[in-house]
Amino acid sequence: DAGVTQSPTHLIKTRGQHVTLRCSPISGHKSVSWYQQVLGQGPQFIFQYYEKEERGRGNFPDRFSARQFPNYSSELNVNALLLGDSALYLCASSLGNNQPQHFGDGTRLSIL
Amino acid sequence: GEDVEQSLFLSVREGDSSVINCTYTDSSSTYLYWYKQEPGAGLQLLTYIFSNMDMKQDQRLTVLLNKKDKHLSLRIADTQTGDSAIYFCADGSSNTGKLIFGQGTTLQVKP
Repeated sequence: DAGVTQSPTHLIKTRGQHVTLRCSPISGHKSVSWYQQVLGQGPQFIFQYYEKEERGRGNFPDRFSARQFPNYSSELNVNALLLGDSALYLCASSLGNNQPQHFGDGTRLSIL
Repeated sequence: GEDVEQSLFLSVREGDSSVINCTYTDSSSTYLYWYKQEPGAGLQLLTYIFSNMDMKQDQRLTVLLNKKDKHLSLRIADTQTGDSAIYFCADGSSNTGKLIFGQGTTLQVKP
C-alpha cells in the first residue's frame, strides 16, 4: 500500500516567488496536516484539514495557505517567499481528527 | 503554553538498551508519539501510547508514560547500528489534533 506521497521532493526558489507543494494521503485517510521543519529542529504545525475544512492553524503568517480537495489530497501554498522559509515541508495523513499521523518524506524547499 | 522537551544526544554501544526521555506540558493530550527520522528522510511513526495507559510494548520498543509527572520514555532493547537516527517525542492535543514536537534526540550507536 502506498504511503503518504509528496511532490516535488526538492525545490529551489528565489525571494518573492510563490510555491505550491502537493500531498496525497494514505488511501482511506481523510485528514491531512502540514508541518515545517527547519534544520536542527522539530517539526512545527502549520495547518490541519479534515473533510476539506480547515480544523487547525499554527502560528504562521497569512502568506501560508492550504486547501484539501474532494479526493482528500492537499496543497500548501506559500507566497512572497523569504529566506527563512527554507525548510523541509512535511505532510501527514490520518484516518480522522486526533488519530495517529503518518508522514511523507517531505519537500525540501531552498530559497536563494 | 504547550511545550515538549527532550535531551539532545544519546550514545550507546551496540547490543545495549537505549532510553530516550521526554517531558510535556499539555494536560489535554490524547496520544503521545515516538517518531524516528533518518538523514534526508521524513518521519517514521514508531509507536504511540494512549494517555490513559502506563506502558506499551512493541517488540524491541517499550514506552512508559507517567501522566502525573508528564514524562514519557522510549526504551529500545538490543540497540543496533540501524537504530542510529533522530528520535522525536510528540504530544497529540485532543483539542486541535495538531502534534507538538520536541527538538529531537540524536541516538548514536557505536559498534
